[in-house]
Amino acid sequence: DVKVTQSSRYLVKRTGEKVFLECVQDMDHENMFWYRQDPGLGLRLIYFSYDVKMKEKGDIPEGYSVSREKKERFSLILESASTNQTSMYLCASLLTSFDNEQFFGPGTRLTVL
Amino acid sequence: QKEVEQNSGPLSVPEGAIASLNCTYSDRGSQSFFWYRQYSGKSPELIMFIYSNGDKEDGRFTAQLNKASQYVSLLIRDSQPSDSATYLCAAGTGDYKLSFGAGTTVTVRA
Repeated sequence: DVKVTQSSRYLVKRTGEKVFLECVQDMDHENMFWYRQDPGLGLRLIYFSYDVKMKEKGDIPEGYSVSREKKERFSLILESASTNQTSMYLCASLLTSFDNEQFFGPGTRLTVL
Repeated sequence: QKEVEQNSGPLSVPEGAIASLNCTYSDRGSQSFFWYRQYSGKSPELIMFIYSNGDKEDGRFTAQLNKASQYVSLLIRDSQPSDSATYLCAAGTGDYKLSFGAGTTVTVRA
């Protein structure tokens, strides 16, 4: 079974703090994704990575950066957290294949006060 | 305009009935389509994917795709209380990225 884990289920941070969200997958998948999920808006892609040290912006990259130093690990960084970044953050991974199935981690609910 | 639109719901159906979920997409380059189920407080899990026009059946679930109309649907037959969840429609364009709809919440009444 593919396993995607995220470092925290719940996180509370203060405005202006630097926040690190970590995602680890154990299936040697090339592609990894960070989404945020907000009521009524669905999942929106923040960044994705198709290989180590490679990254591409998604639909809403502003205020975020990412790091992928190892194939299994993909980190999302909020350089200076703001209240509008309060959200559920979901990581996903995908093996390069035709079927395109993304496997999701359990999510991190981040609250920025 | 959102790339993927779903009927807003919520959708309430009695146990044993058919739940019908609809999704339209705007990008004609979309090649693959996915239905994810998300229980409250949990992460999405894939239940169906479809690439070709027509129907695809898997147990009680049937996905339908009409590329000319840019329309995807999911039918849940013999709905069970365990089917109560939010269903997310997603479209892929072959570059491993997916565009998700906002989801439709289904409640199956016992």
